[in-house]
Amino acid sequence: GEDVEQSLFLSVREGDSSVINCTYTDSSSTYLYWYKQEPGAGLQLLTYIFSNMDMKQDQRLTVLLNKKDKHLSLRIADTQTGDSAIYFCADHNQAGTALIFGKGTTLSVSS
Amino acid sequence: DAGVTQSPTHLIKTRGQQVTLRCSPKSGHDTVSWYQQALGQGPQFIFQYYEEEERQRGNFPDRFSGHQYPNYSSELNVNALLLGDSALYLCASTMSGISQPQHFGDGTRLSIL
Repeated sequence: GEDVEQSLFLSVREGDSSVINCTYTDSSSTYLYWYKQEPGAGLQLLTYIFSNMDMKQDQRLTVLLNKKDKHLSLRIADTQTGDSAIYFCADHNQAGTALIFGKGTTLSVSS
Repeated sequence: DAGVTQSPTHLIKTRGQQVTLRCSPKSGHDTVSWYQQALGQGPQFIFQYYEEEERQRGNFPDRFSGHQYPNYSSELNVNALLLGDSALYLCASTMSGISQPQHFGDGTRLSIL
C-alpha cells in the first residue's frame, strides 16, 4: 500500500536553514503536501507542489520534488524559533481521496 | 473567510459511551474528511463524505460512522468507546474533485477514561 516516510527529529540554530526530507511510494499523486502542526493545534497547510514541477518557492519555503527517486524535501531559510513544530509530508492515496501522512518530523530551533 | 471549524475542542468520556463530533467546512468546500491522530503519530484517514454520502473509508471499524448534511457540515460518531479511541480527531475540507488540497480544523481532543 501507499507509504510516506520521514526522519523524526531535526535540530537547528536560529538563522540556519532547515531541510526536512520525505520519501513516498505512490507515484500517481497530483499534488504532494507539507503541513505544520504546532503543539495542541490542528494541521496548517504550509505549501504543496504539483507533481509535474521540480521546485516551488514560497517566501522562506522551498519545496524540491524528485519524482524518479520519490523524494520530497522542504527547506526553510533563516529558521526562526516560531518555526519549531512538527512537519508532516503527505501524499494522496490512489483514489485521490485520503491523505497519507508520514509520522512527522519534529523541528527544534534553538536561539 | 472562515476556515474549518470543529466542536467541541475537548471531550472526556468513559469506556462504552458514545460520542458525536462536529465539523463545518471552509467556505466554498463541499467535501469533508475525518482523521484520527494518536499521540506521536501522523493522522490516519477514517472516511470522506461528499454529496451526503460516504465516498471512501479507511481501516476503521463500524463503530465509527458519519453523516454529512445538505449545508456540507459533518458529524463523526463513535459508539462503544474504547481506551484506544483516545486521540485528536481532525476534520478536513476540500473542494469537490479528486486530489484537491485539504484544509484542516484545530481538532477535537477526545480522552477516554
